[in-house]
Amino acid sequence: KAGVTQTPRYLIKTRGQQVTLSCSPISGHRSVSWYQQTPGQGLQFLFEYFSETQRNKGNFPGRFSGRQFSNSRSEMNVSTLELGDSALYLCASSTGRLIDKLFFGEGSRLTVL
Amino acid sequence: GESVGLHLPTLSVQEGDNSIINCAYSNSASDYFIWYKQESGKGPQFIIDIRSNMDKRQGQRVTVLLNKTVKHLSLQIAATQPGDSAVYFCAEKRWGGGNKLTFGTGTQLKVEL
Repeated sequence: KAGVTQTPRYLIKTRGQQVTLSCSPISGHRSVSWYQQTPGQGLQFLFEYFSETQRNKGNFPGRFSGRQFSNSRSEMNVSTLELGDSALYLCASSTGRLIDKLFFGEGSRLTVL
Repeated sequence: GESVGLHLPTLSVQEGDNSIINCAYSNSASDYFIWYKQESGKGPQFIIDIRSNMDKRQGQRVTVLLNKTVKHLSLQIAATQPGDSAVYFCAEKRWGGGNKLTFGTGTQLKVEL
């Protein structure tokens, strides 16, 4: 069974630009969550999508958005990039049941210059 | 301003010894706990989970202990191997929170030969 696939793995952007990251969950999984990992703040929850609907949202500004498609693939977008958005963005896949494991992808490493 | 990196507690153990990694959680409403291992440059990897109605769960070479009275979680690794070197995170989830995980700051485990 293929794992969680995130693309791109690495990208460099400049301040003010926008970026779109993609996540393909494990086959059969309907929940996709996004997390931001930085040395300063650790791992922080961004949002979760389940069956194309946002089910939960963390405490991030509106510049961070996401969506999920009918095949459960998800994208997240960050607009008007700031230097502080430099981070590892991780996608986690699960069945969506309340008590269930989350499986993470390798992440997309974003550097904002 | 410049962000300050989280100070990760470090645990150094000799190869073959047992390791105990501790985690304190704050939300008494948390229902589900997971331990993850993260190697450099990779996403978090699921190790073991435990529900709040349990106080102990064992896996292969790993045991998780949950003490709800003092809101404490521990991960025990038996016969620690060099491949166990990584950062270990505990994460908690509560009913109604979907797949929102709240992560601890992590512990760096170093295995000395």
